[in-house]
Amino acid sequence: ILNVEQSPQSLHVQEGDSTNFTCSFPSSNFYALHWYRWETAKSPEALFVMTLNGDEKKKGRIRATLNTKEGYSYLYIKGSQPEDSATYLCASNGQGNNRLAFGKGNQVVVIP
Amino acid sequence: EAQVTQNPRYLITVTGKKLTVTCSQNMNHEYMSWYRQDPGLGLRQIYYSMNVEVTDKGDVPEGYKVSRKEKRNFPLILESPSPNQTSLYFCASSYTGAAGYTFGSGTRLTVV
Repeated sequence: ILNVEQSPQSLHVQEGDSTNFTCSFPSSNFYALHWYRWETAKSPEALFVMTLNGDEKKKGRIRATLNTKEGYSYLYIKGSQPEDSATYLCASNGQGNNRLAFGKGNQVVVIP
Repeated sequence: EAQVTQNPRYLITVTGKKLTVTCSQNMNHEYMSWYRQDPGLGLRQIYYSMNVEVTDKGDVPEGYKVSRKEKRNFPLILESPSPNQTSLYFCASSYTGAAGYTFGSGTRLTVV
């Protein structure tokens, strides 16, 4: 079982502030790192998939980075808005298989 | 509209009564997966499929069966449900292992 860890488990952010959180994953036999956004009562939605060391991806105010050598990824939210409130899931899979392992998520609450 | 369709959305059943949760995608995706979500445990992979007639166990396959006779469908079968299978289930599909997954709306199953 791939061990994917996310921290912090939950965080409260003041509207307008920026925040970031971490996903750590096994660096050996790495294939891809996924980030998903999951709003309450909805389904997870894909944000980013990264495969190469040093990858950076951006969507609006959200940016993700990837370090495959040390096995971590950061997700940054710039100028948090109430609509950013969600659980952000990180997932990793290894070479040659589709056993996508998810972390427990970073629950973000943006306070107006 | 590109989507993953799961049915039913909600199901209450009794211990031992066989049931099937259907999953269908209209995006011609090769990869399909089933997950269960339990409080404090995150999304855990039950089974996955990389193509027609190709399926493999995920991290928590006990008590479940799947089949992939057609590319678009990937049903989850509980031959003899037990209360510990009470959970929120998600089906998801992807074009490749390095592409983001599209999730279905989820099936909330209660086994009494």
